[in-house]
Amino acid sequence: GESVGLHLPTLSVQEGDNSIINCAYSNSASDYFIWYKQESGKGPQFIIDIRSNMDKRQGQRVTVLLNKTVKHLSLQIAATQPGDSAVYFCAENPPFRSNYQLIWGAGTKLIIKP
Amino acid sequence: NAGVTQTPKFRVLKTGQSMTLLCAQDMNHEYMYWYRQDPGMGLRLIHYSVGEGTTAKGEVPDGYNVSRLKKQNFLLGLESAAPSQTSVYFCASSLLGTNPHFGAGTRLSVL
Repeated sequence: GESVGLHLPTLSVQEGDNSIINCAYSNSASDYFIWYKQESGKGPQFIIDIRSNMDKRQGQRVTVLLNKTVKHLSLQIAATQPGDSAVYFCAENPPFRSNYQLIWGAGTKLIIKP
Repeated sequence: NAGVTQTPKFRVLKTGQSMTLLCAQDMNHEYMYWYRQDPGMGLRLIHYSVGEGTTAKGEVPDGYNVSRLKKQNFLLGLESAAPSQTSVYFCASSLLGTNPHFGAGTRLSVL
C-alpha cells in the first residue's frame, strides 16, 4: 500500500457487475487495515475495516478479504452503481508506528460504465 | 452534528507568507490528524495528536507546526509557506485511532 507515483491505477466496471479492488500492503506485521472512498472534491469516507485476526469481513454491499500470506487486501463491491465512482484507498497500521499512524496506498480509480 | 469541519476551504499564499488552518470536531474524539494529499499519491501524515495538549510528528512534519489547546480543535500552521506546500490538506479525528473521520479538505496554493 505505499505511494507509487502520479498515475492512479484505474478499474472500469459495467454498472451492475461486481468490482474487485486490490491492494498490496507493505508490512507483514500490520494488524489493522482499512478501506476509504474519496469522491472528487471531497474528503475520504470510511467504507470498512478489518483486523489481522480475520480473513474476511462483510458490510453493506462490500466485502474485504485479507490474505496475510501474500500481504494482499481486496475490496469487493457487489452490484456496482454509478455512485460508486470514486478513488478507493487502502491503509495499514504497521507495528513500527504508534497511535494508528496509518500508511496509505496511492489509490485506485473506479469508473462505472453505463 | 457537523463532524469534522475545516476552514478555510481554499487559500492562495505567496511564498514566505504564513497561515493557520483550523480543524474542529464535535464528536469528542481524542485523536486528531493532519494529512496532505498530492496528485496520484496517498495521504501523508504531517502531525497528529492523541489528546488535548499533546502533539507528535508524522511522516512529513517539516515546515509545519500544530497546536491542540482544546480537545475539539487542531490547528496546522505554516510559518513561511513554500511552493512545495501546495497541496490539499485534510484533517481527521478518531475516538481511539481506528476509523478516522475526515473533513472536506483545504486546497492551498503557494505561488
